[in-house]
Amino acid sequence: DVKVTQSSRYLVKRTGEKVFLECVQDMDHENMFWYRQDPGLGLRLIYFSYDVKMKEKGDIPEGYSVSREKKERFSLILESASTNQTSMYLCASSLWVDRGRSGPQHFGDGTRLSIL
Amino acid sequence: AQRVTQPEKLLSVFKGAPVELKCNYSYSGSPELFWYVQYSRQRLQLLLRHISRESIKGFTADLNKGETSFHLKKPFAQEEDSAMYYCALSGLETSGSRLTFGEGTQLTVNP
Repeated sequence: DVKVTQSSRYLVKRTGEKVFLECVQDMDHENMFWYRQDPGLGLRLIYFSYDVKMKEKGDIPEGYSVSREKKERFSLILESASTNQTSMYLCASSLWVDRGRSGPQHFGDGTRLSIL
Repeated sequence: AQRVTQPEKLLSVFKGAPVELKCNYSYSGSPELFWYVQYSRQRLQLLLRHISRESIKGFTADLNKGETSFHLKKPFAQEEDSAMYYCALSGLETSGSRLTFGEGTQLTVNP
């Protein structure tokens, strides 16, 4: 069974801090994703990665960056946290199948981040 | 651009009643559609995908390209179906791995 592990379930930080959210998957998946989940807005893609050291912007990348130095790990970085980044953050991974297709996305438990 | 719309934020039915969660999409190419579910205090998980054409936990969904819809249906709702449901789209002509999610529908099945 695929395991996607997010380092923290709950996190409280202050405005202006640099915040790191970590995600690790154990199934050798090529694709990894970061979303934020807000009531009434669904899941919105922040960044994703197809391979090590590769990243692409999603729909709401402003204020965030990512790092993928190893295949199993995908980090989300809030460069200077602001209160409007208070949210639930979900990490996911999926297997690359062939051109244009991938396997289903597997999600972590999420990190509820509060910025004070 | 691709977009997914779930017009109902909240849906409440009684146990044993039929349930339909609506999903409409806009995408000019060949879409792949999914339904994901999140039960209380559990992680988001895949419920079904249209290419599988299977029934999971009694739920089915048919892709209607003419109406650009992918509604989720179950003939007899159960209390354990209460959860948040998300419709999602993957566009093969763009980045086949990324998903665009709808806003979600919170389903409550009353006893």
